[in-house]
Order: sequence, then C-alpha cells, then structure tokens
Amino acid sequence: GESVGLHLPTLSVQEGDNSIINCAYSNSASDYFIWYKQESGKGPQFIIDIRSNMDKRQGQRVTVLLNKTVKHLSLQIAATQPGDSAVYFCADSSMDSNYQLIWGAGTKLIIKP
Amino acid sequence: DTEVTQTPKHLVMGMTNKKSLKCEQHMGHRAMYWYKQKAKKPPELMFVYSYEKLSINESVPSRFSPECPNSSLLNLHLHALQPEDSALYLCASRQGYDSGNTIYFGEGSWLTVV
Repeated sequence: GESVGLHLPTLSVQEGDNSIINCAYSNSASDYFIWYKQESGKGPQFIIDIRSNMDKRQGQRVTVLLNKTVKHLSLQIAATQPGDSAVYFCADSSMDSNYQLIWGAGTKLIIKP
Repeated sequence: DTEVTQTPKHLVMGMTNKKSLKCEQHMGHRAMYWYKQKAKKPPELMFVYSYEKLSINESVPSRFSPECPNSSLLNLHLHALQPEDSALYLCASRQGYDSGNTIYFGEGSWLTVV
C-alpha cells in the first residue's frame, strides 16, 4: 500500500532557532496533507494542513510547504520553544484511500536550551 | 470547539475482564474513529463509523467490539484481551467520512492488560 515516510527520526534544535521537519509521500494522487504534534502522554494535536492545490500555508509560527513534483512535505516552526518538544507526524490522504490517513513514522523534536 | 473527550484516561484490566472505553464529541461530526497506538509508532486505524454505521473494520480481532449509540458517542467494548493489546486507544472525529477535512483526536485512553 501507500506509505508516508520521514527522513529523520530525531531532530535536535537550539531554542530560538527555526525547525524544519521533512516528510516524503509516495501517492501522487494524495490531495490532502496534515501535520500533527503529539506530546508525551497525549493524543495527536492538529497543527496545520494543506491541500494539493496549494504549495504553502502559514499558521501561527508554523509553515507547511508542499512540493508535489518530488512528493515532499515539510513543517517549519519559527523560533522554536521548549513547548515545541514533541513527536511530529505527517499524514496524507486521497480519494484512493477513502480519505483515511496514511501516516509517516514520526519525528521526535528535541529542544536544546 | 474541537474537543473529543475520552474516558477513562487510564484503565488496567485482567485478561478475563470486560470493560469499555468511551468517546464523545459535540462538533456535529458524522465520522468517528478508533485508533490504536503503540509506543513510538503512528496511530493504526481500527474502526470507522459514518453516520452511526460501521464503515471500516481494519480486520480487528473480535475481542474489540465498537458501538455507536448516537452521532455524538462512540464506545469500544473490550473482552478477553491479551497483554499485547496494551496501548493508547485514540478516538477521533471528522466532519464527513469521505471528506479531506481535519480529523481531530482525543487525548486517548491508556490501556494496560495484565
């Protein structure tokens, strides 16, 4: 089946720096992409999503970039804070999968003081 | 309000026990989900309800029995579980079953089978 993968299982970033978390997807028919943040002991929290008719979307301190040519998705977090420490999951969906989410493996973001 | 509420937060049960996990949402969402998540892994889809009817069962063992009493509530009945069923069980909801809209998750129920 289709799968979404992540390039790095762990990412360490200095507090105050920008973080970039990457994700690759394999289904060229995917038309919806989403990022979740999961803190220890909690459920996944929606961060931001993007549809395939866009290549960039911004939220509060977060930006998602979509490159359909190379099937790559990234999450940028500006001015990383200790509260950003979590595991970040990307996921995609398409009509092929009845819009059920296909998950990436997750990236653990560690903030260095 | 994007809140999905799950109870209990923690549950310890023996292999011969019968227990239930409960989930509630008041966002008017018509699709509700159960996921299972093991440590350091992404959530795995178990069941999907659409308009209170079971739409997807991802070949889940019959010791897990879902129930959707109404459009706001979703239960997961547990019976004769195995220790390997210990995991975080997540409930989620979305506006529509086949829409590319956001799926919102609850905080989960931590299940330990002893």
